[in-house]
Amino acid sequence: GIQVEQSPPDLILQEGANSTLRCNFSDSVNNLQWFHQNPWGQLINLFYIPSGTKQNGRLSATTVATERYSLLYISSSQTTDSGVYFCAVAGNAGNMLTFGGGTRLMVKP
Amino acid sequence: DGGITQSPKYLFRKEGQNVTLSCEQNLNHDAMYWYRQDPGQGLRLIYYSQIVNDFQKGDIAEGYSVSREKKESFPLTVTSAQKNPTAFYLCAGRRANTGELFFGEGSRLTVL
Repeated sequence: GIQVEQSPPDLILQEGANSTLRCNFSDSVNNLQWFHQNPWGQLINLFYIPSGTKQNGRLSATTVATERYSLLYISSSQTTDSGVYFCAVAGNAGNMLTFGGGTRLMVKP
Repeated sequence: DGGITQSPKYLFRKEGQNVTLSCEQNLNHDAMYWYRQDPGQGLRLIYYSQIVNDFQKGDIAEGYSVSREKKESFPLTVTSAQKNPTAFYLCAGRRANTGELFFGEGSRLTVL
């Protein structure tokens, strides 16, 4: 099946800093989503982005499908951005999402 | 989207007991999914259903069972055959036109 790798695995930021999270995948995809898992475990949809670029406030994402990677940008980070960020993809052969291992982000005040 | 409801949020069970986790949706999603998450890990697919009365095994189906008698409901049973059932369980529905998945708030199962 498709492999998904996220980097870095852990990230500590000072409030106000910017960061870039990366997601590499091993095959063509027809679905790519970024999620934020809050401290209570809830998965919050950030972006549905199988290709192209999207922005939502301080967050933006870019997927370069031909090169099999996606980037999530967080600008002016806040303590509420802390949690785990997951990238998940579905290959062209099916529609089941495969998750990466996540990036654990801690934003310090 | 806030239409995926899981219950209970927390559940304790003794070894050897079966337990059923509920997942209900009012978003008219045809496809629904169950994932398991262990501490510090990503999510792994247990079962999925693309249509009523049909479901398929995911990567870690052993020790679990599901049913899909109604479009709105996709319950997961954790059986006594599941060797390590303590985990966080997440249910999702898929928006048909885009394939985007939306998750419920999860059920945390602890086996004592």
